[in-house]
Amino acid sequence: GQNIDQPTEMTATEGAIVQINCTYQTSGFNGLFWYQQHAGEAPTFLSYNVLDGLEEKGRFSSFLSRSKGYSYLLLKELQMKDSASYLCAKSQAGTALIFGKGTTLSVSS
Amino acid sequence: DADVTQTPRNRITKTGKRIMLECSQTKGHDRMYWYRQDPGLGLRLIYYSFDVKDINKGEISDGYSVSRQAQAKFSLSLESAIPNQTALYFCATSDAPPGEAFFGQGTRLTVV
Repeated sequence: GQNIDQPTEMTATEGAIVQINCTYQTSGFNGLFWYQQHAGEAPTFLSYNVLDGLEEKGRFSSFLSRSKGYSYLLLKELQMKDSASYLCAKSQAGTALIFGKGTTLSVSS
Repeated sequence: DADVTQTPRNRITKTGKRIMLECSQTKGHDRMYWYRQDPGLGLRLIYYSFDVKDINKGEISDGYSVSRQAQAKFSLSLESAIPNQTALYFCATSDAPPGEAFFGQGTRLTVV
């Protein structure tokens, strides 16, 4: 299967740091994407990892461990506008991106 | 203009009707996809196409069909709509893997 697991919901306060974890089956792995989706809108690209380690992009960072089938998205200095769903997606040769069910993040003041 | 355009944006249809959702892209990508999104279930793959002559079933293809009319166009059909096909449908396109996927704005379909 293509099981991709991530927490259903998370809550945090403005200014805090939050880490959203994602685990996936390692077979056929070709890359790991993170997308942000606000309610009723299209998903938008946040980050991509293909090699182990941390990729930093402003307030957002993403980490990958290929041997463990594990990734996380780190959001720093949280803002109210970061309230959204965060989707972990695995790229696998020969097929389309397969998505996890998403993590709904609620940021409160 | 949007890179990926879906029409219609909203549609209400009756059970048993045939309906087509259309998607066009200006990214010049070969790969196109249809996903459906339901609350709590995330994005699930319906069909995908790696080029004009290629069509592949995804996780939940039953009750759906697709047509790849050109590199830029990929349509999704529901031959006989049923209420549990009520969902938000997204079309996407990408370059060769592991290419980033670009999504359309979605079509909200309600089957009554």
